[in-house]
Amino acid sequence: DIQMTQSPSSLSASVGDRVTITCRASQGIRNDLGWYQQKPGEAPKRLIYAASTLQSGVPSRFSGSGSGTEFTLTISSLQPEDFATYYCLQHNSYPRTFGQGTKVEIK
Amino acid sequence: EVQLVESGGGLEQPGGSLRLSCTASGFIFSNYEMNWVRQAPGKGLEWVSYISSSGSAIYYADSVKGRFTISRDNAKNSLYLQMNSLRAEDTAVYYCARSGRFGLWGQGTLVTVSS
Repeated sequence: DIQMTQSPSSLSASVGDRVTITCRASQGIRNDLGWYQQKPGEAPKRLIYAASTLQSGVPSRFSGSGSGTEFTLTISSLQPEDFATYYCLQHNSYPRTFGQGTKVEIK
Repeated sequence: EVQLVESGGGLEQPGGSLRLSCTASGFIFSNYEMNWVRQAPGKGLEWVSYISSSGSAIYYADSVKGRFTISRDNAKNSLYLQMNSLRAEDTAVYYCARSGRFGLWGQGTLVTVSS
């Protein structure tokens, strides 16, 4: 099974900050990775697919990069509505595996 | 509107059974692979099962293999998850998610396994 190691598990940031979240795959997954945002009581929402393609309707302050084993989600200027938990997901092989999540909190 | 709506959750005793449904609308359901994903209270996301668009290919997480069965009825635009031999650790919100890239999610249905 492919393990997805996501870091950090939580972070505190202020509105306007640049935020970076990383996922590392235990083996190469090409660019078969998505990033998801989840707010309390809501379903996850896809932000990025194919590692770096922005989902339609998602603000351009979100970006993804990486290939192989190292992937990054960046929020260029954190907004109040961005405080949430973020997950990566590899869809290269079964079982599909998620990162442990990163909770982004208000400083 | 393109959407997925889950139903069938509830309270069940350990060892019992439940059948979850996910009804699709606004898109051609038969064209898409589908998945079930769950989230235990206060925990992260866990992939549960996958079914191909035709139903010919199916995969399960080890944690549910032999107890859960995924199926679909393309004529009814519906996805199912039959859950047998339920355990306390199956307590979670269960989401259906569209395609291999999980681009669309339902709102979830809560399954509670407790005596």
